[in-house]
Amino acid sequence: DGGITQSPKYLFRKEGQNVTLSCEQNLNHDAMYWYRQDPGQGLRLIYYSQIVNDFQKGDIAEGYSVSREKKESFPLTVTSAQKNPTAFYLCASSIQTSGDTQYFGPGTRLTVL
Amino acid sequence: SQQGEEDPQALSIQEGENATMNCSYKTSINNLQWYRQNSGRGLVHLILIRSNEREKHSGRLRVTLDTSKKSSSLLITASRAADTASYFCATDIGSQGNLIFGKGTKLSVKP
Repeated sequence: DGGITQSPKYLFRKEGQNVTLSCEQNLNHDAMYWYRQDPGQGLRLIYYSQIVNDFQKGDIAEGYSVSREKKESFPLTVTSAQKNPTAFYLCASSIQTSGDTQYFGPGTRLTVL
Repeated sequence: SQQGEEDPQALSIQEGENATMNCSYKTSINNLQWYRQNSGRGLVHLILIRSNEREKHSGRLRVTLDTSKKSSSLLITASRAADTASYFCATDIGSQGNLIFGKGTKLSVKP
């Protein structure tokens, strides 16, 4: 099956801890994205990557970090510097970052205890 | 301020009725896309309309685009309970090719 997967589905973090959210795609897409969604809100872009070994900050990158060592993988680390990390995190991919259709994973719900 | 804003924020209708959602945006676009999100799930792409197109159909979905008014509408005909979801518009303004999402319309279709 072709698609985009995220793990885990639910994640609990203690204050002061870093956590890493996984995102994998086998669609052979060049571009990948991380969004944050808060209740009743739209999606806000955290980071995006147009190609392997390259990524750019989105609108709310502070307190987050990413890597893109492989085309298929784009993990997101939520660091302790992120003051309000409890949210629903969505990963997406597209053929290119040219306004193409984006394909979304099922999301990870992060809760800080 | 939001590039794309959906209206209404919430819509409740009976099964079989039509549902219309609107999206307004501020700057020129290359394309506008509509996505659907079931509660607690990822988004699913529904339809893409380019700036030089005025109307597109896909099954029970009809999307219109009026670039002079900077607005788009999504019509779902003969709605079903399974259409209950949040619907988002996303605009491609060409800047780095990223999409900008609105806050969504929450549609509830009662059986």
